[in-house]
Amino acid sequence: EVQVVESGGGLVQRGGSLRLSCAASGFTLSTYWMSWFRQAPGKGLEWVASIKQDGSEKNYVDSVKGRFTISRDNAKNSLYLQMDSLRAEDTAVYYCGRLYDNGRSDYWGQGTLVTVSS
Amino acid sequence: DIQMTQSPSSLSASVGDRVTITCRASQGIANDLAWFQQRPGKAPKSLIYAVSNLQRGVPSKFSGSASGTDFTLTISNLQPEDFATYYCQQYYSYPYTFGQGTKVEIK
Repeated sequence: EVQVVESGGGLVQRGGSLRLSCAASGFTLSTYWMSWFRQAPGKGLEWVASIKQDGSEKNYVDSVKGRFTISRDNAKNSLYLQMDSLRAEDTAVYYCGRLYDNGRSDYWGQGTLVTVSS
Repeated sequence: DIQMTQSPSSLSASVGDRVTITCRASQGIANDLAWFQQRPGKAPKSLIYAVSNLQRGVPSKFSGSASGTDFTLTISNLQPEDFATYYCQQYYSYPYTFGQGTKVEIK
């Protein structure tokens, strides 16, 4: 059974850092692109970042460029999101999702909540 | 960036009804359009990809279509578990973008 499980969320002060993890199981992580998405409280969905199978290509939404870094460790079946210089507007539930080469996603995790306090 | 405009933002319907949700892209996105369902307090679930292809396990009561840059999600025979918020998403180009969502409520 395909599963992706996020962890690492929590309360952090503005300007602080947090590292999210996503554990993948039931499929071979190295054969898929992966993404992070987020949803601010009471708001819609937003794509945050994507990473190619071997980590050689990464893409980010403008609002997190230079502050967030997506990475992966295929040997550990894990995806990561390093979040630095956090802002109040980064407060959201963060989801990881599996992507196909053309960008479509299928499986998403249950999410992890990040709260940035001012 | 490609903007995805969904309508309506909310609708009320009864069990057994058929409803239609529309999503308009600000430019051509070929067939790179997906629909997601999000029940309250739950993670989004992928329903449809490439305009009209159902994800594995999604019932055929859900269907999708396109006309140019206008995309439609139709839900037939609404059941209590279908009352949720639905989002469209384009994955044609970065940044991938979502519509603002359509909340389907019980009348």
